[in-house]
Amino acid sequence: GDSVTQMEGPVTLSEEAFLTINCTYTATGYPSLFWYVQYPGEGLQLLLKATKADDKGSNKGFEATYRKETTSFHLEKGSVQVSDSAVYFCALSHTGYSTLTFGKGTMLLVSP
Amino acid sequence: DTGVSQNPRHKITKRGQNVTFRCDPISEHNRLYWYRQTLGQGPEFLTYFQNEAQLEKSRLLSDRFSAERPKGSFSTLEIQRTEQGDSAMYLCASSGTGPSYEKLFFGSGTQLSVL
Repeated sequence: GDSVTQMEGPVTLSEEAFLTINCTYTATGYPSLFWYVQYPGEGLQLLLKATKADDKGSNKGFEATYRKETTSFHLEKGSVQVSDSAVYFCALSHTGYSTLTFGKGTMLLVSP
Repeated sequence: DTGVSQNPRHKITKRGQNVTFRCDPISEHNRLYWYRQTLGQGPEFLTYFQNEAQLEKSRLLSDRFSAERPKGSFSTLEIQRTEQGDSAMYLCASSGTGPSYEKLFFGSGTQLSVL
């Protein structure tokens, strides 16, 4: 079955540091890949997505590239802010099916 | 767009009791999902509705769990004869049709504690 593996957290960074959160997946075919973010006290929100190999999803300074050869979808941001502190979830779904398979989540803590 | 609303926010119950949660999706969304999340884990799919039709149920969903979406609007999730292992955050999400169907909007969840 499908599965998503994320690096364990928490990831602790200082403001303006570079961020990478690793995500790899196991799935048949060509799934769509997503990053969702959960800010404290709020529901999960879609951050970005990519639907085919070599696509780059981007939003709010975050980027992730769909790498079919390495089955990866790592999340990056060049300069994090305190307001980026949240839990980040990598997820996949198959085209035509909107049910998501999530990773365990990675907590990011950014200090001033 | 008032977002996805879930009630109650918290529910404490004794083992063996029945509980029911409610989800009000974004009004124009025809797809509605239920997920369960335990501490340190990502959300786990439970079931999915398109309008009033329940199209998919996880194999992990026990017979004690039942979900409805009458008239394709709000949805309820009922757990009968609760067990301590049912303690979790129950999340509801909704999405629209067309190219945006993959963008799920989640509620803040109902935290269930079974004593």
